[in-house]
Amino acid sequence: EIVLTQSPATLSLSPGERATLSCRASQSVSSYLAWYQQKPGQAPRLLIYDASNRATGIPARFSGSGSGTDFTLTISSLEPEDSAVYFCQQRDTWVTFGQGTRLEIK
Amino acid sequence: QVQLEESGPGLVKPSQTLSLTCTVSGGSINSGDCFWSWFRQPPGKALEWIGYISYSGSTYSNPSLESRVSISADTSKIQFSLKLTSVTAADTAVYFCSRLRCSSGGCSRGGAFDFWGRGTLVTVSS
Repeated sequence: EIVLTQSPATLSLSPGERATLSCRASQSVSSYLAWYQQKPGQAPRLLIYDASNRATGIPARFSGSGSGTDFTLTISSLEPEDSAVYFCQQRDTWVTFGQGTRLEIK
Repeated sequence: QVQLEESGPGLVKPSQTLSLTCTVSGGSINSGDCFWSWFRQPPGKALEWIGYISYSGSTYSNPSLESRVSISADTSKIQFSLKLTSVTAADTAVYFCSRLRCSSGGCSRGGAFDFWGRGTLVTVSS
């Protein structure tokens, strides 16, 4: 099973700041990595697919990068509504998710 | 706009079978570029992929759950279903259905889970 390790576990930043979230795979997943945002009581929302492609309707402040085993989700200028848990997910071999990064907006 | 909605019992007794249905609107489940998927999320924990069914009816399951999982589809009702046998308290979770939109290169790898149901809590308890 491919294990995805996300860091940090928790991130606390102010509006307007830049957030950098990391996802590391236990073996290469090529570019088959996606990022999701999940708010309490809601389903996940697709943000990024194939490592760097923004999903439909996702603001330009969200961007993804990386390939192989190291990936990054960047939120360039935080808004209060970005407070959520962010998960990475691979579909190179079956489907697995990271444990999530909780982003708090101060 | 594709919409998905889970339905089924919210309480299942230990050793029994959990059965859920996902109803799809705004799209067809025999489209050649989509798989139809089940996930679960125990309270406060990460998401876990359970399995999916392809547009042609082929099914694929998480190896850790494979012996207990059955996924089927009813194209006439635009529904797909999950059965999980021999449940225990460890199967208590919010269960989600979702659409996997395959990548331009095919469905074997990659793609994105682009539409999700709101989820339904299933508790395993006597």
